[in-house]
Amino acid sequence: QTVVTQEPSLSVSPGGTVTLTCGLTSGSVSSSDYPSWHQQTPGQAPRTLIKDTNTRSSGVPDRFSGSILGNKAALTITGAQKDDESDYYCVLYMGSGIWVFGGGTKLTVL
Amino acid sequence: QVQLVESGGGVVQSGRSLRLSCVASGFTFNSYGMHWVRQAPGKGLEWVAVIWYDGSKQYYADSVKGRFTISRDDSKNTLHLQMNSLRAEDTAVYYCAREPGKWTFDSWGQGTLVTVSS
Repeated sequence: QTVVTQEPSLSVSPGGTVTLTCGLTSGSVSSSDYPSWHQQTPGQAPRTLIKDTNTRSSGVPDRFSGSILGNKAALTITGAQKDDESDYYCVLYMGSGIWVFGGGTKLTVL
Repeated sequence: QVQLVESGGGVVQSGRSLRLSCVASGFTFNSYGMHWVRQAPGKGLEWVAVIWYDGSKQYYADSVKGRFTISRDDSKNTLHLQMNSLRAEDTAVYYCAREPGKWTFDSWGQGTLVTVSS
């Protein structure tokens, strides 16, 4: 069974740049997997940041960007702010009506 | 603006049933696919089920297949999740989410908590 992988935790300094990745235990992620990224702070509902690999959702600051880097999907935060301290989840469309979330990355800004 | 409001959560005994609802507003409901996603306490997000915008197809995660049924009532702008044979591992916050096409999500409800007691 293919598992979607994410870094369990990352840290970044305020104003710095960090890249979160989303991979597969078997194979490569491509734009045909329609990766999307979702931010969640404790006790809150998720918020969609990026859909369809690199399309920012309405109202999402342009310091968030999505891409394919090598064989993984990537979410890059440029100029990180304290408010960006959250859990980040990627989700991939696996085909045949099935979606799979990654385990999430806990981002610390310090 | 887009609004999704879930309801129907609560405490239920193992083996019993529960029906969740998600009322949508602020958009043309019957033009969008809809999903259920859940999150167990302290855990990550888990995709549960999807229903196509026209109700023609439904798909489920293996963990709920055969026990859960997703449906929609476009006349009431409402999404449902019928959950049967509930297990302790179904304990989670259940979110509904909108799919704007492109096999993704773009709006989420605030969630409803389901607790299955043994």
